[in-house]
Amino acid sequence: EVQLVESGGGLVQPGGSLRLSCAASGFAFNTFEMNWVRQAPGKGLEWVSHISASGTTIHYAESVKGRFTISRDNAKNSLYLQMNSLRAEDTAVYYCARTNRAYFDLWGRGTLVTVSS
Amino acid sequence: QSALTQPRSVSGSPGQSVTISCTGTSSDVGGYNFVSWYQQHPGKAPKLMVYYVNERPSGVPDRFSGSKSGNTASLTISGLQAEDEADYYCCSYAGSFTWVFGGGTKLTVL
Repeated sequence: EVQLVESGGGLVQPGGSLRLSCAASGFAFNTFEMNWVRQAPGKGLEWVSHISASGTTIHYAESVKGRFTISRDNAKNSLYLQMNSLRAEDTAVYYCARTNRAYFDLWGRGTLVTVSS
Repeated sequence: QSALTQPRSVSGSPGQSVTISCTGTSSDVGGYNFVSWYQQHPGKAPKLMVYYVNERPSGVPDRFSGSKSGNTASLTISGLQAEDEADYYCCSYAGSFTWVFGGGTKLTVL
């Protein structure tokens, strides 16, 4: 089955760190660009970060630049998001999404990150 | 980047048509034919409904159609059905491997 499954979310204090994972299956992961997209409670979608198929090209939204790091391990069919210096406004459901030529054609179910003391 | 502008809510009766607008700038919607639309039911992941302004993925009913004029894209849903009630988000490529979403529109089927 073609799917993406996120994990690693949870409750973290402001200033803390968390690492999200996204396990891909059912398709050739190493041929697709990938992204992280988040959604704060009751709010809209926000693009967070993009990584090329090889992992050599990376881009971030201004809101997370310098604090978040996207990476991938094609041998493990996995995508990651290292989140440091977390703030209350980073509280959201984080989705990994497969990129297919500038649109997102496959989404995971998301993992909830709550930043609170 | 600023979020694309969508109406907060639209509504229609079963069988009717509704159109959701999505306004951006020449740096995103107006600059690329890479507008996509996503449907999201409560507690669920977004689902791709339209890509490249007016293309539909396999399995999406032809009741869903997209268009674009200048800096504004639109999603039209014809023959409204109860299961169409959901939140809808537009998204545009904004260059340099960045994307911007709209604020979302809640569709109510009366």
